[in-house]
Amino acid sequence: GAVVSQHPSRVICKSGTSVKIECRSLDFQATTMFWYRQFPKQSLMLMATSNEGSKATYEQGVEKDKFLINHASLTLSTLTVTSAHPEDSSFYICSAKIPGRRNTIYFGEGSWLTVV
Amino acid sequence: AQKITQTQPGMFVQEKEAVTLDCTYDTSDQSYGLFWYKQPSSGEMIFLIYQGSYDEQNATEGRYSLNFQKARKSANLVISASQLGDSAMYFCAMREGRNTGNQFYFGTGTSLTVIP
Repeated sequence: GAVVSQHPSRVICKSGTSVKIECRSLDFQATTMFWYRQFPKQSLMLMATSNEGSKATYEQGVEKDKFLINHASLTLSTLTVTSAHPEDSSFYICSAKIPGRRNTIYFGEGSWLTVV
Repeated sequence: AQKITQTQPGMFVQEKEAVTLDCTYDTSDQSYGLFWYKQPSSGEMIFLIYQGSYDEQNATEGRYSLNFQKARKSANLVISASQLGDSAMYFCAMREGRNTGNQFYFGTGTSLTVIP
């Protein structure tokens, strides 16, 4: 079964509103989670690295005030798209590393955001 | 059960040699898509190759080919003539159904190291 759960899988929101996407690790504690966004040609761009108990590390070009990441507990990281615009419509996916297991990364199922 | 299984956490290959990265999947859908992504140290997930469940021929993209064995539910990635720049994490993924809005399922990844 899934070890990383993402919710919601699909969401439609109005332009100007905010929407929150949750990423949960189910069977382990994840000190580090990653957020990706899918662009055309199917590449997933790393947006930010979420660290439990501290501020997220954003990749260059990603607006930290627009994409708020909160990693409040060892099993939950949230991505909030604030003041959403149609160009924010995309596929967002999270992943988490199991501590101590270098080459094992689990992905969530992804969330499709449509801003109308 | 895991939807995508990658059993090789780490692989080594000599430069200019070919290497096969294993991937098996589990689905009861007749229509699905299989993907391979490369993740270099930058963190971005780069799309490499796609195979549709109804495609009769194995997909190829340059040095990448997908060995699709539907009856065995395997979708191994073959990289020919390995280069040093191929050293990265590789993820196999599946999307069930025809709707591009459906969820992605990722494997846990294989770390490939190309030896000079």
